[in-house]
Amino acid sequence: GAVVSQHPSWVICKSGTSVKIECRSLDFQATTMFWYRQFPKQSLMLMATSNEGSKATYEQGVEKDKFLINHASLTLSTLTVTSAHPEDSSFYICSARETPLYEQFFGPGTRLTVL
Amino acid sequence: GESVGLHLPTLSVQEGDNSIINCAYSNSASDYFIWYKQESGKGPQFIIDIRSNMDKRQGQRVTVLLNKTVKHLSLQIAATQPGDSAVYFCAEINTQGRRGSTLGRLYFGRGTQLTVWP
Repeated sequence: GAVVSQHPSWVICKSGTSVKIECRSLDFQATTMFWYRQFPKQSLMLMATSNEGSKATYEQGVEKDKFLINHASLTLSTLTVTSAHPEDSSFYICSARETPLYEQFFGPGTRLTVL
Repeated sequence: GESVGLHLPTLSVQEGDNSIINCAYSNSASDYFIWYKQESGKGPQFIIDIRSNMDKRQGQRVTVLLNKTVKHLSLQIAATQPGDSAVYFCAEINTQGRRGSTLGRLYFGRGTQLTVWP
């Protein structure tokens, strides 16, 4: 199947700093990418949907000014957690799909720890 | 549907036994369903899918059953192995209907922690 990578796989940062997470589709062009957050022993929660070249659509309750998403190319989307706080510590997972229908391929996730 | 905030139910089985993991979905308009396996610290991995025009689909050691009447999905794993230990999520998708809202969006179920004992 198609491969999606994320970088970094884990990051530790100080409270108040910003962190950027990259999501790349390695062997296909992703018209749409999704960002999820997952807390321990919980399900994946969709944060936002981004289509290449347009603004991301955020889910209710997700602060768009805090979680900046850029999908500038068909193979790269970035999530920037601005002014991170300990409560932002979580596992962030992206997924990507090529067609406008349904098959999504997931990245390996990024573990963010904010001290 | 999504079940953020609820802790995962667990299932423990002996190696070699069959496992059955259940999932209730919420949207009667969902017409495509996927089971994912997520190992600790990793992203979800596709296992098997089924469309709403089917009620059963088999893969290698796995079978998915769909009961649209009661909006229930199950994943059966035959001869469970220690390597099957993971969290299993079902996901539902509406591939038809009105674009721009929920079309194509994955809704994850609660997940079940499967532990296989040797």
